[in-house]
Amino acid sequence: DVKVTQSSRYLVKRTGEKVFLECVQDMDHENMFWYRQDPGLGLRLIYFSYDVKMKEKGDIPEGYSVSREKKERFSLILESASTNQTSMYLCASSLGSAGERGNQPQHFGDGTRLSIL
Amino acid sequence: AQTVTQSQPEMSVQEAETVTLSCTYDTSESDYYLFWYKQPPSRQMILVIRQEAYKQQNATENRFSVNFQKAAKSFSLKISDSQLGDAAMYFCAYRSYNTDKLIFGTGTRLQVFP
Repeated sequence: DVKVTQSSRYLVKRTGEKVFLECVQDMDHENMFWYRQDPGLGLRLIYFSYDVKMKEKGDIPEGYSVSREKKERFSLILESASTNQTSMYLCASSLGSAGERGNQPQHFGDGTRLSIL
Repeated sequence: AQTVTQSQPEMSVQEAETVTLSCTYDTSESDYYLFWYKQPPSRQMILVIRQEAYKQQNATENRFSVNFQKAAKSFSLKISDSQLGDAAMYFCAYRSYNTDKLIFGTGTRLQVFP
């Protein structure tokens, strides 16, 4: 089974801090994703990486950056945390199947509930 | 741009009964994939069922089945013989053929009563 591990289930930080959320997958997946989940808004894509050192902005990248130095690890960085970044953050990974006949689902971690005070 | 709409923020069902969760989407594409994900209180998102748009046959996974109406751009999830463990948030998601990114709906919270 695919295992996607997020480093923290709960995290409390202060405004202005630089915050790192870590995600590791063990299935050699090309793709990794960071989402933000808020009530009534569903999941919104922050950033997407389709290979090491490759990244693509999602729908809400402002205030965030990412790093993918190794295939298995994808980090989300809040450069200067603000209270409006208090949310649930979900990491996911998948095999690459864009443009191919293949219906690869995304596999998710348990989520990190981040509070910015 | 594609959008996914789940018009039922909350639904409830009695144990052993059947419930249908609605999902509609907007796209100009003809080739795409659709998914239903379940997020229980434990928080991990789990794939429930998936459908390829080029397949006319509706997908089925045990007690879970979909009603895929391509012309109407509708993708509803039917849960038969509901169980207490089915209580969760359910998200509908869309994926274009040429990308690995998903577009999610806002979710439906399903409660199951004994």
